[in-house]
Amino acid sequence: QSALTQPASVSGSPGQSITISCTGTSSDVGGYNYVSWYQQHPGKAPKLMIYEVSYRPSGVSNRFSGSKSGNTASLTISGLQAEDEADYYCSSYTSTSTWVFGGGTKLTVL
Amino acid sequence: EVQLVESGGGLVQPGRSLRLSCAASGFTFDDYAMHWVRQAPGKGLEWVSGFSWNSDSIGYADSVKGRFTISRDNAKNSLYLQMNSLRAEDMALYYCAKGSARWLRRAFDIWGQGTMVTVSS
Repeated sequence: QSALTQPASVSGSPGQSITISCTGTSSDVGGYNYVSWYQQHPGKAPKLMIYEVSYRPSGVSNRFSGSKSGNTASLTISGLQAEDEADYYCSSYTSTSTWVFGGGTKLTVL
Repeated sequence: EVQLVESGGGLVQPGRSLRLSCAASGFTFDDYAMHWVRQAPGKGLEWVSGFSWNSDSIGYADSVKGRFTISRDNAKNSLYLQMNSLRAEDMALYYCAKGSARWLRRAFDIWGQGTMVTVSS
């Protein structure tokens, strides 16, 4: 159950787009379309932003989108806003019927 | 309003036990998988354990297998985590999270605020 690989940090200016990658293996990200993304502001509980690779829960802005290619999933945030500054985690269901998270990416809005 | 409220955290010595509880409200509890996810201070999220709606599927992270036991009482709308042989590395904020469907493989759509477990002598 090795953690998925995410960049430690990304940054962008308001209005710009950024992409956070999440790399796993064929036993998790590459083998299933059960990849999800979570946003966590300091001192708060995580919030589901994307599920099953590319679906947005009701109430999540359409500025957030997800995709996957092979063993790597990606979260793209377009039209960056100050409120998007947070930690982002990817997660994937695995071949051993468990879940694995990425190490997290800190997004800074410049 | 859909809500999850964790309780049972606290300070415990290494090697001792602790039982966490999660009270659910605002949804049909027995229709959904439930999970425990933890976060050590200043660290990332780690999935701990999950329990499908009907107990057909129960999973544990390798780091807690054999020491932690997840259970649920659908009549009480409650999820539990029995933690035995606690170690320093188990110190974390423990979140209860609702699965978005009956099975373990669906994402976690509702989270509680967490209960802190501190392991120290």
